[in-house]
Formats: sequence, C-alpha cells, structure tokens
Amino acid sequence: AQKVTQAQTEISVVEKEDVTLDCVYETRDTTYYLFWYKQPPSGELVFLIRRNSFDEQNEISGRYSWNFQKSTSSFNFTITASQVVDSAVYFCALSERAAGNKLTFGGGTRVLVKP
Amino acid sequence: EPEVTQTPSHQVTQMGQEVILRCVPISNHLYFYWYRQILGQKVEFLVSFYNNEISEKSEIFDDQFSVERPDGSNFTLKIRSTKLEDSAMYFCASRPGTSGRMNGELFFGEGSRLTVL
Repeated sequence: AQKVTQAQTEISVVEKEDVTLDCVYETRDTTYYLFWYKQPPSGELVFLIRRNSFDEQNEISGRYSWNFQKSTSSFNFTITASQVVDSAVYFCALSERAAGNKLTFGGGTRVLVKP
Repeated sequence: EPEVTQTPSHQVTQMGQEVILRCVPISNHLYFYWYRQILGQKVEFLVSFYNNEISEKSEIFDDQFSVERPDGSNFTLKIRSTKLEDSAMYFCASRPGTSGRMNGELFFGEGSRLTVL
C-alpha cells in the first residue's frame, strides 16, 4: 500500500531564510509519480511539481527546488529566500500506476514565514 | 487555460439533509475524483470514476455517498443524509487518459466547503 509521511507538521522561519520540507514515501510499484501541492489560506490546492519514478534529476524553478532520492524514498522540497507569501500548508503526494493513479497525500507541513 | 470548476464554493446545511456538490471537469479528461479534507487534516481520497462507473472507493465512501456523471459534463457528489462529521472541504479532480509518458497529474478544483450544523 502506498504511504506518504511528512514528519514536520509546522515550520516557522523569518523572511529570507531557506526552508526544507521533508517527504518520505512507501510504494511497491515501480512506476509512480510524486507531487507537491501548496494550499494557501484560501484553501485551494495549487500544483507545484510532478516527478515520475524514472526521473531522478533534481529540479529548480525560481526559488523552489526539489531533491528526489529513490535510494531513501524521499522527495524533499526547498524554498530559498522565503517570502511571506510562501506561508501555506504544503502537501507531498504519491500516485501509483497500479493504483489507478489515485493520489495519496501526506499529512502536510504548515510553513509560516514571518516578516 | 482550462480548469476544473466546483459549485457551490460554500454550503451550510442541517444534519440529515441531502447535499449535492457539483463539478465540471476539464472537457477532454476521462478520469474523475473526489477528495475530502476535514479542517486542519490531510486530503483524503474518496472515489474515482472512469467510463461511467466507480473504479475505486475508499472506506469513507459509504452508502451515504454517491457519484454521478449525469450529462457528460457535470460530475456530482451526493451525500444522502449529512452528518456533523461530513463537514469538510470537498475537492473534485480530473485527469486526461494515460499518455505515452503516463502523465499522472490530477487537476483540482478550488473546493466546496460543506458545513453541517
């Protein structure tokens, strides 16, 4: 069965600090996808990134970067030079091809960026 | 850019009442989902729907819940007799058919907040 663990429930930083969010997953499938979503206070889910299990290249998009390590089943997310607008709950999620690609979400990490 | 739309954005209802939450998925998508998020908790899978039938459902999706795609565009979630614990944000999602690269990405609506009093 698929499982996603986000051990950090809440992280508080001061603006301009970097913040790294941990995500560890469990799956028996060899073909799967990993995602990060942002949920701002308004409540919607904002897609940030998708990674497939065959692509371990790390990715950078502006102030966001992702580190995918299959060896440790981790898909960590770093926000560089955080801003107040980054304050939100961030969810890591996993979908398995064998499970019809339904998403399993981690418990989320609340990030609070203080000015 | 095409998007998934949900109505209503917020509904308040009395316990025991029936509620229908509506979703319009992206037009060429083939797979449809409902997820639920109780306030402050994680997003949980409820049900997936493909080819006019339920393909998978979770333990949460009991006999009080049903889904329908009545007219080829709307995708609805009905809660027959609401309970206090049904209060949550309900997200609809859709995705295209699998491509050669097995895309896998779900497109989420903005959610419908249900409050049961």
